[in-house]
Amino acid sequence: SYVLTQPPSVSVAPGQTARMTCGGNNIGSKSVNWYQQKPGQAPVLVVYDDSDRPSGIPERFSGSNSGNTATLTISRVEAGDEADYYCQVWDSTSDQRVFGGGTKLTVL
Amino acid sequence: EVHLVESGGGLVQPGGSLRLSCATSGFTFSDYEMNWVRQAPGKGLEWLSYITSTGSTIYYADSVKGRFTISRDNAKNSLYLQMSSLRVEDTAIYYCARERDLGALDYWGQGTLVTVSS
Repeated sequence: SYVLTQPPSVSVAPGQTARMTCGGNNIGSKSVNWYQQKPGQAPVLVVYDDSDRPSGIPERFSGSNSGNTATLTISRVEAGDEADYYCQVWDSTSDQRVFGGGTKLTVL
Repeated sequence: EVHLVESGGGLVQPGGSLRLSCATSGFTFSDYEMNWVRQAPGKGLEWLSYITSTGSTIYYADSVKGRFTISRDNAKNSLYLQMSSLRVEDTAIYYCARERDLGALDYWGQGTLVTVSS
């Protein structure tokens, strides 16, 4: 089955840029979605189809995808961005939806 | 406003069964594909199952294939997950989620906790 690899943690100071990666074999050929999950809450879709944002998601959130790595970028990080972030794809080979292990973003 | 509300969680013994429900409102349920996702305590998200808008096509994760059954009732705007042969490792918060396209899950319920323990 398809595997997505995310670093366990990323730390960034307020106002700086956070970049979280999601690795997968030829992930650039797939559509990548990103979710934010704060403690005790359900996940929220923040980026879909590699780089699109749902309504209500700040422009500070952006995504890119190429080769074997997809990246979620959060510009001008705020304390409220501290959360777990998960990447996810639809693996058309198996018709399964696959999540990465998640990255904990800490705002210093 | 879109709402998804799960129910049916609780404490069950290993080997037992449980049926989860997901009541939806605020959108045309019969137009959307739906999914179940779970999260074990302190762990990441795990996709479980997918069903098309008509229920004609269903997929499962290997971890639950043969034990869990997804279904839907478009007349009742509801999604279900029948779980059997439950194991301790099935202990988790179970979420239902609406799929917009290409696997993106754009709305989630608040989750229902299932605890499998003797």
